Amino acid sequence: QQQVKQSPQSLIVQKGGISIINCAYENTAFDYFPWYQQFPGKGPALLIAIRPDVSEKKEGRFTISFNKSAKQFSLHIMDSQPGDSATYFCAATATNAGGTSYGKLTFGQGTILTVHP
Amino acid sequence: KAGVTQTPRYLIKTRGQQVTLSCSPISGHRSVSWYQQTPGQGLQFLFEYFSETQRNKGNFPGRFSGRQFSNSRSEMNVSTLELGDSALYLCASSFKGNSEAFFGQGTRLTVV
Repeated sequence: QQQVKQSPQSLIVQKGGISIINCAYENTAFDYFPWYQQFPGKGPALLIAIRPDVSEKKEGRFTISFNKSAKQFSLHIMDSQPGDSATYFCAATATNAGGTSYGKLTFGQGTILTVHP
Repeated sequence: KAGVTQTPRYLIKTRGQQVTLSCSPISGHRSVSWYQQTPGQGLQFLFEYFSETQRNKGNFPGRFSGRQFSNSRSEMNVSTLELGDSALYLCASSFKGNSEAFFGQGTRLTVV
């Protein structure tokens, strides 16, 4: 019940295209869903995050869509650029009333995105 | 503002040895979490410390332990190293263990 399933494992898009990565979860206690971007040799960097009270959040070229009833959420990267080539991880956590998750993020398996020039 | 700093960046150890990894969180952050990243298992939560107390623990054997100091710096220790412990060990800090966590670059541990 703690799993977060992420697809696809790898994705190749052309420059200017839209990259879409999907995640599904089972634990209904999860209430915070971040996406991380990781470049080789670096730690994951927080990209964008969403809570279940909204269905969509947009920051620049990055958009999270959230479907609470289906327990699914996705990352859309508009106008994909070669510099976006990286591994993307979705994650989920449950927080208490004070917003504390006690540090535990449950991660998807990751998607290797390659954007061709 | 300095980010999360992990030392050392790379380590090579022999089976049976022990190792200590260090993490300095972002200034003002009091929660430090540790993760193990491997190609097969992905990112897995080890434990979380807040104000020198372990508040949360993942599903790892007792060979994996940690501690946090009064300045919020944290160390994790792995005893009796096994080949399967080879991984990238990541530290993440947050203000109070809330959702927004920032990761360091990790320590690459190789057990031979």
